[in-house]
Amino acid sequence: QQQVKQSPQSLIVQKGGISIINCAYENTAFDYFPWYQQFPGKGPALLIAIRPDVSEKKEGRFTISFNKSAKQFSLHIMDSQPGDSATYFCAASIEYSGGYNKLIFGAGTRLAVHP
Amino acid sequence: GAVVSQHPSRVICKSGTSVKIECRSLDFQATTMFWYRQFPKQSLMLMATSNEGSKATYEQGVEKDKFLINHASLTLSTLTVTSAHPEDSSFYICSARNRGRTEAFFGQGTRLTVV
Repeated sequence: QQQVKQSPQSLIVQKGGISIINCAYENTAFDYFPWYQQFPGKGPALLIAIRPDVSEKKEGRFTISFNKSAKQFSLHIMDSQPGDSATYFCAASIEYSGGYNKLIFGAGTRLAVHP
Repeated sequence: GAVVSQHPSRVICKSGTSVKIECRSLDFQATTMFWYRQFPKQSLMLMATSNEGSKATYEQGVEKDKFLINHASLTLSTLTVTSAHPEDSSFYICSARNRGRTEAFFGQGTRLTVV
């Protein structure tokens, strides 16, 4: 129930195309869903995040679509560029007693954008 | 976004020695810090959560006597890998969060190699 399932494991997209990464969860107690971008040898960087009371959030070329009833959310990268080539992680946050929360990460998607 | 600085970025140590990794929040108060371990091409595995001034909460299977975590101030947490062995070689990443905020920001990571 604590898992976040992410797909695909890897993705190849042509420059200018749309990259789509999907995640699914089971635990309805999750209340915050961020996406992180990680380049090799670096820590993850927060890209965009959404809460379950919103169905879509857009920031520049990045859009999160959220389907609460299906317990799924996805990241869309419009006009994908070679510089977007990285590993993307979805995550879900859950709050525990004592007021602290932790992130549950998906397995990651390695995106390669070809010129 | 908020800045989390992790040091060192790379460290090589001899088997049996101890290594300390520092994680600093530069422009915000990190009431909670998280330590992760990441193996090549895999997701982030949460090792422990520490709240400022409190003992760290370790995830199941993580040896608390081997991975010592100190969070003595609102801007600094340290992870000490004691009596390091080659199997401890990994990429260690910290993240920090301010009380009342859901966003977690990550350090650059530390590549530990035990020889």
